[in-house]
Amino acid sequence: DAKTTQPPSMDCAEGRAANLPCNHSTISGNEYVYWYRQIHSQGPQYIIHGLKNNETNEMASLIITEDRKSSTLILPHATLRDTAVYYCIVREKGSNYKLTFGKGTLLTVNP
Amino acid sequence: EAQVTQNPRYLITVTGKKLTVTCSQNMNHEYMSWYRQDPGLGLRQIYYSMNVEVTDKGDVPEGYKVSRKEKRNFPLILESPSPNQTSLYFCASSQQGFGNQPQHFGDGTRLSIL
Repeated sequence: DAKTTQPPSMDCAEGRAANLPCNHSTISGNEYVYWYRQIHSQGPQYIIHGLKNNETNEMASLIITEDRKSSTLILPHATLRDTAVYYCIVREKGSNYKLTFGKGTLLTVNP
Repeated sequence: EAQVTQNPRYLITVTGKKLTVTCSQNMNHEYMSWYRQDPGLGLRQIYYSMNVEVTDKGDVPEGYKVSRKEKRNFPLILESPSPNQTSLYFCASSQQGFGNQPQHFGDGTRLSIL
């Protein structure tokens, strides 16, 4: 199974773009990259996912490198409410749809 | 509003007293799952269900039971709770589909077993 590596923490100024990196060098061709976040002890919240093309939705943008070995989640205008742990997940092969959460990146948005 | 609802949100109980944590989703999702979250260990899958009457073990199923009699409900049963089951529990659901459907999580249930 592909594993992911994320920095343990990052800071961002309110109103600026937050760029969260993720390495997944062993990803295979049919595995998706997902991003979730968890605010304090709330339930994880889905943000975005992609296979190989860049994706954008109302919350964020996902940039996946051409070789698919890394990706970046971009929050274009971070707010204080975006302070959370962000998880980059590669969905495991198989049929149980399990999400394997690593330690994630604690993003702190500062005023 | 599309949501996954867990009850109770908080529970303090004693060792050996059977308890059930309910989970209900209103999105007609086929797939449902239970996770527990512990400090330093992240979220770990307990059980999952691909559809009604279809359940299977996740990574940490010991001490837990589940049932899926209806599509919308997926209760987690602790027949004889022990202190090592003190944890934060999350239920999740998603549509079936080549595994690329996002999962929706409930707000969590914090269990303390004394």
